[in-house]
Amino acid sequence: GEDVEQSLFLSVREGDSSVINCTYTDSSSTYLYWYKQEPGAGLQLLTYIFSNMDMKQDQRLTVLLNKKDKHLSLRIADTQTGDSAIYFCACIRGGATNKLIFGTGTLLAVQP
Amino acid sequence: SAVISQKPSRDICQRGTSLTIQCQVDSQVTMMFWYRQQPGQSLTLIATANQGSEATYESGFVIDKFPISRPNLTFSTLTVSNMSPEDSSIYLCSVRQGGSDQPQHFGDGTRLSIL
Repeated sequence: GEDVEQSLFLSVREGDSSVINCTYTDSSSTYLYWYKQEPGAGLQLLTYIFSNMDMKQDQRLTVLLNKKDKHLSLRIADTQTGDSAIYFCACIRGGATNKLIFGTGTLLAVQP
Repeated sequence: SAVISQKPSRDICQRGTSLTIQCQVDSQVTMMFWYRQQPGQSLTLIATANQGSEATYESGFVIDKFPISRPNLTFSTLTVSNMSPEDSSIYLCSVRQGGSDQPQHFGDGTRLSIL
């Protein structure tokens, strides 16, 4: 089955860049997503990348995909205290299954 | 993206009782899903809610415990039956508009505690 792994915790200072990493096992994953979960809230879709891309930038967010190593990363530039949250990567396979497999989540703590 | 409303947002229930969670979307969507997020854990798919037919359950989840309805393209319910403390979790509804190339969007979840 599909495994999606993330480091559990990342601490950065306000204004620094954050890099959250994710590895996955299923090479047939077609879309890869990053979601943000703030305390007491649901999941907010941040960005996603198709498997035929290797980079996507959206304002302060940069997603890098290394298909050979099955490695996905999310870089947040100029990290703010409002970025403190749990970040989940998720992968989906194409075809009839369409099942979204979530990573373990990374808690990002931004120190003022 | 669609606006997704879940009710209730939280509840505290007695063991042995059942609770029905509602998910309402402000526009018609192709797919609706129910997830569980146990304390400190990631999300696990419970089932896909199919409009007009029985839900498709993932391994480890059964209809008797988690009956699901989806009477139309904008509404679904998940019932957590005969609850025990192990059912204490966040239950999240998600939706997808269009085909499998479209992302899933989530409601704010229902935080359920069983005493």
